[in-house]
Amino acid sequence: GAGVSQTPSNKVTEKGKYVELRCDPISGHTALYWYRQSLGQGPEFLIYFQGTGAADDSGLPNDRFFAVRPEGSVSTLKIQRTERGDSAVYLCASSKQRESEAFFGQGTRLTVV
Amino acid sequence: AQTVTQSQPEMSVQEAETVTLSCTYDTSENNYYLFWYKQPPSRQMILVIRQEAYKQQNATENRFSVNFQKAAKSFSLKISDSQLGDTAMYFCALEGGSEKLVFGKGTKLTVNP
Repeated sequence: GAGVSQTPSNKVTEKGKYVELRCDPISGHTALYWYRQSLGQGPEFLIYFQGTGAADDSGLPNDRFFAVRPEGSVSTLKIQRTERGDSAVYLCASSKQRESEAFFGQGTRLTVV
Repeated sequence: AQTVTQSQPEMSVQEAETVTLSCTYDTSENNYYLFWYKQPPSRQMILVIRQEAYKQQNATENRFSVNFQKAAKSFSLKISDSQLGDTAMYFCALEGGSEKLVFGKGTKLTVNP
């Protein structure tokens, strides 16, 4: 595609439910990043993939959060037993290689009620 | 730890005027990159300008320029001839020693007609 695509655009879920957020990066981009942006804050790093492997997952807040990128393209961020504090915009970005410009998607706004 | 501080939560400017957004940062890395991103209501982060720390010359992109003061760890963004379309959140970000971006809390810029 022309840009980074994230689905769904908005997601409302009940506390305790499981959610999956999808990111479709720009074709050919090997690096993929997930960030979380809480209201009134800047984005915070969650995880970085180089190809299929998670090169840095130090930003995942706890073991309820998990992300995969099985074929080195599409990535899914999975959140188990959602809590109200997980409500935020989840941003995905991709880049062609290390130290090149990262292109962001429009994010998924997750609301946990 | 790397930190980015934006001390101006909100700024406003008249159309066609010039405005400067402030950013200070802290890192122990010698080689790093600094960025300004624009985030309109669509939520998509758009790269405005990028500066490599080892380059002394300040980066410029059309109406956007930076004042990079390495010793002071300061990285301000100047927008000349402000346009209504410049209205957005602006985030300063740092990448150093890893692949992840560290963002400030942002400055909300409003351009008034």
